[in-house]
Amino acid sequence: QVQLLQSGAEVEKPGASVKVSCKASGYNFMAHYMHWIRQAPGHGLEWMGWINPITGGTNLAQGFQGRVTMTRDTATSTVYMELKRLTSDDSAVYFCARGEDLWGQGTLLSVSS
Amino acid sequence: AGLTQPPSVSQGLKETATLTCAGDINNVANQGAAWLQQFPGHPPKLLSYRNTSRPSGISERFSASRSGSTASLTITGLQPEDEADYYCSAWDTGLNAWVFGGGTRLTVL
Repeated sequence: QVQLLQSGAEVEKPGASVKVSCKASGYNFMAHYMHWIRQAPGHGLEWMGWINPITGGTNLAQGFQGRVTMTRDTATSTVYMELKRLTSDDSAVYFCARGEDLWGQGTLLSVSS
Repeated sequence: AGLTQPPSVSQGLKETATLTCAGDINNVANQGAAWLQQFPGHPPKLLSYRNTSRPSGISERFSASRSGSTASLTITGLQPEDEADYYCSAWDTGLNAWVFGGGTRLTVL
């Protein structure tokens, strides 16, 4: 079954970091970039960047450069997104996506003191 | 900048709704647009891609088109289950980023 399975909900304090995982299955993991998109409560979709699974190279949206790290583990077909220096504005659902056609179920991040 | 969608559209049961998405030469006009449907608490679902193509399993009631830098999604024979948020998206070559519209909340009256 073609799917992206993300890690569970996280609760973090301001200033902390969080690392979300996304495990791909059912397709050639190496053949598709993986994107991360987030959605704040009641808001639209915001693209964060992509990772090339072959090279590990990344392309991050301007607003996330310096605060987001994307990595991958080709042995397990898993990508990771680490977000540092969290603030309450980072409270959102985080999605991984293989382009428009395949999305993870989302990971809820709550940032609160 | 992202893509521009009206925040809300309302239409009657069994009627036709047309959702619009305004972009520019860097995204919709030259890269094409996709449409996504999202229900609360769920990830987006692809309805159309490359302006007009429909993935397998998507109802023929959903059809997409593009004219210049504006993409449109037409939903015919509206049903209560069509009430959802609809997003357009496109790759933006100027920003080197995947951009989204702000979303349109469709209400079926």
